[in-house]
Amino acid sequence: QPVLTQSSSASASLGSSVKLTCTLSSGHSSSIIAWHQQQPGKAPRYLMNLEGSGSYIKGSGVPDRFSGSRSGADRYLTISNLQSEDEADYYCETWDSNTRVFGGGTKLTVL
Amino acid sequence: EVQLVESGGGLEQPGGSLRLSCAASGFTFSSYAMSWVRQAPGKGLDWVSSVSGSGSNTYYADSVKGRFTISRDNSKNTLYLQMNSLRAEDTAVYYCARLVAAGSDCWGQGTLVTVSS
Repeated sequence: QPVLTQSSSASASLGSSVKLTCTLSSGHSSSIIAWHQQQPGKAPRYLMNLEGSGSYIKGSGVPDRFSGSRSGADRYLTISNLQSEDEADYYCETWDSNTRVFGGGTKLTVL
Repeated sequence: EVQLVESGGGLEQPGGSLRLSCAASGFTFSSYAMSWVRQAPGKGLDWVSSVSGSGSNTYYADSVKGRFTISRDNSKNTLYLQMNSLRAEDTAVYYCARLVAAGSDCWGQGTLVTVSS
């Protein structure tokens, strides 16, 4: 079963860019993942899926400021031109053998 | 518009039972696998269970296996989670989510389950 590792917190200034990381465990470095955003007090929102090739497809209505990339077992979510509404928890998700797995989440603070 | 609306949460005593529902609209419900994901207070997302589009295949996290049962009624566009032998550690907001090849692409607003005496 895969394990997804995320940093617990990150911070960046308004208008800047930030790159969040989700690391896949050994043996799962080519897996597809999904990124989700959860604003305070709200339900999660699907942002995108990110394939092992590094290509990504965003969900409906997700701003162009959000993009994905990869390097080896690492999957990245980059947010450009940070806005106050981007302050949220960000989770990655993957699956294997009909078991779904979430990372522990990264709390993003916009300074 | 794709929409998922959960209901059925509430306060239940340890050892008790609850049945959650998730009403789906805006898409062909039977064409999609569905799942339940929960979030304990102040914690991250935790997968609970999934079911195939036809309902014939079901999958569970070890923490709920033998206590929870996922099902669906495609004629009513509704997903269910029957929760028995509830424990304090089952206290969480429960979300239903639509599954596609790339992950959970649509989420409901959640329903709160509190297990306490």
